Amino acid sequence: GENVEQHPSTLSVQEGDSAVIKCTYSDSASNYFPWYKQELGKRPQLIIDIRSNVGEKKDQRIAVTLNKTAKHFSLHITETQPEDSAVYFCAASRGRGGGSNYKLTFGKGTLLTVNP
Amino acid sequence: KAGVTQTPRYLIKTRGQQVTLSCSPISGHRSVSWYQQTPGQGLQFLFEYFSETQRNKGNFPGRFSGRQFSNSRSEMNVSTLELGDSALYLCASSLGGPLELETQYFGPGTRLLVL
Repeated sequence: GENVEQHPSTLSVQEGDSAVIKCTYSDSASNYFPWYKQELGKRPQLIIDIRSNVGEKKDQRIAVTLNKTAKHFSLHITETQPEDSAVYFCAASRGRGGGSNYKLTFGKGTLLTVNP
Repeated sequence: KAGVTQTPRYLIKTRGQQVTLSCSPISGHRSVSWYQQTPGQGLQFLFEYFSETQRNKGNFPGRFSGRQFSNSRSEMNVSTLELGDSALYLCASSLGGPLELETQYFGPGTRLLVL
């Protein structure tokens, strides 16, 4: 089955710096890659996602890049703010296709700390 | 629209007991997936229900089961609880239609502590 590796497990940056989190996946049939942010004691919230037909997607200070050949994707946060501090999870899944394999496989998470 | 809701939010049980958790999806969403979140293993997929049928299953023992009702609400049951079942149990809902790729929206979770 799918395996998603996420690095680093912890990341500490100064406010205003950029943060980059990287994930690799094993299933070449995966074609959907969401990123979730989970603040302490709260539910995971989708912050951005990318489909395999594009290589990059941006939403204000957040961007995700995808390299299908190398089977890796990355989250980039620019101009970090203290409220960006949270655990970030990457995930990968196949589409429904035949209908049986639609599930999200998550990385282990990255604890991002933004220091004021 | 109201978000995904889960009840109860917290549970304390003892080994050997069983527990039932409930999840109400976003209105109009027909797919409900369940995940177990622990510090060591992260977020792991348990199963997905759609139209009252289990459509997909993760690698958990048979003590973990679920069901879905006609209104798309879903329950998850864990029998013969073990200490290692202590975790945050999250459900996520999505439209569940023919679209290839769908966004899943998570509930707040039920934190289960097994003593």
